[in-house]
Amino acid sequence: DQQVKQNSPSLSVQEGRISILNCDYTNSMFDYFLWYKKYPAEGPTFLISISSIKDKNEDGRFTVFLNKSAKHLSLHIVPSQPGDSAVYFCAAARGTASKLTFGTGTRLQVTL
Amino acid sequence: DGGITQSPKYLFRKEGQNVTLSCEQNLNHDAMYWYRQDPGQGLRLIYYSQIVNDFQKGDIAEGYSVSREKKESFPLTVTSAQKNPTAFYLCASSSNSPLHFGNGTRLTVT
Repeated sequence: DQQVKQNSPSLSVQEGRISILNCDYTNSMFDYFLWYKKYPAEGPTFLISISSIKDKNEDGRFTVFLNKSAKHLSLHIVPSQPGDSAVYFCAAARGTASKLTFGTGTRLQVTL
Repeated sequence: DGGITQSPKYLFRKEGQNVTLSCEQNLNHDAMYWYRQDPGQGLRLIYYSQIVNDFQKGDIAEGYSVSREKKESFPLTVTSAQKNPTAFYLCASSSNSPLHFGNGTRLTVT
């Protein structure tokens, strides 16, 4: 039972444009959401998080939006850069100190 | 320079052999985790430990074992009972913070 879903396995965006990565979850007990970025043969690195008491969190070029009623979150990257090309994982947890449940990932390619 | 060290980066074993993957952290984190990554399946939790001498099964613990004798160390043993052991294994740690990952060990069993 996939509790966190990323339905787009891949996404291609031109440099300078906006990248939008989507994530859906089914467990209504999740109240803490994170995005990780992963390069091949490396561990994921933390990008940005959001608590369920908020609907938006911004950090530089990265913004995460949370729609609790739809059980949906999205990561916006503006402007996209070639170095953003990586696999992005959405993750969710019940509380900030709890174990994470990950989605299957979306491979983003930013083209010149 | 704090971080998580996973060794070795690549590991090859014959079917039927047990193998232990090392994970050491110097971040003074209380909790440690083992995840496995397979193509198209994201990261799945194998085992986790929130304090020394205690650990819990994750979603796919069958065929694996762990120990947590020291705060810094959380080795994972892949036993011969694990049906599909070939994968990329990731260790992580945290202390009321987002998980911090090591760079992984790619295990190939033939």
